[in-house]
Amino acid sequence: NAGVMQNPRHLVRRRGQEARLRCSPMKGHSHVYWYRQLPEEGLKFMVYLQKENIIDESGMPKERFSAEFPKEGPSILRIQQVVRGDSAAYFCASSPEEAGANVLTFGAGSRLTVL
Amino acid sequence: GNSVTQMEGPVTLSEEAFLTINCTYTATGYPSLFWYVQYPGEGLQLLLKATKADDKGSNKGFEATYRKETTSFHLEKGSVQVSDSAVYFCALPRRTGYSTLTFGKGTMLLVSP
Repeated sequence: NAGVMQNPRHLVRRRGQEARLRCSPMKGHSHVYWYRQLPEEGLKFMVYLQKENIIDESGMPKERFSAEFPKEGPSILRIQQVVRGDSAAYFCASSPEEAGANVLTFGAGSRLTVL
Repeated sequence: GNSVTQMEGPVTLSEEAFLTINCTYTATGYPSLFWYVQYPGEGLQLLLKATKADDKGSNKGFEATYRKETTSFHLEKGSVQVSDSAVYFCALPRRTGYSTLTFGKGTMLLVSP
């Protein structure tokens, strides 16, 4: 049973380019969460999605960032016109239900470097 | 929303030393509490959890007790190993009864032989 799969593991972009990060949740999990980890900071919540729905995007920057979790395929975190401050590790997690155990299973992360 | 504060690191210990990493929380009600661990270059893994007051979570020799009187969930291990070197995160739901977690800033543990 594969865990949470994220790709690419490493992504290098120049300022102004677009970055797309993909996340396939664990089999049977229908809830996906994106977090960002900046150097010297903790893990910051960005967005919580279910299939075809954004449940909570209160942690997403207002501009340039978007996320989706289509009916088919992985969840995508999209960053348009990247800037150096977007360089970070982006982690995806999934869970099988909304409430209850609250146990999130994390992927290994996608490390974005903006030159 | 709920929040958590944990001690800053790095914590540097010799092998077989006793470990404590402090974590205190602010929350509405009595949410579940968690410790996650992140090894270098990897994602976070659940280490242990406690779902109600006075519960003790334990795993791999690590323990933490849910103390509502002191709103704390300190992580302890009696004898650390070099392989325990990692970053440890305390966490709880952003809102009680809600699935999304909020994390502390993490505490790096470095264990030397």
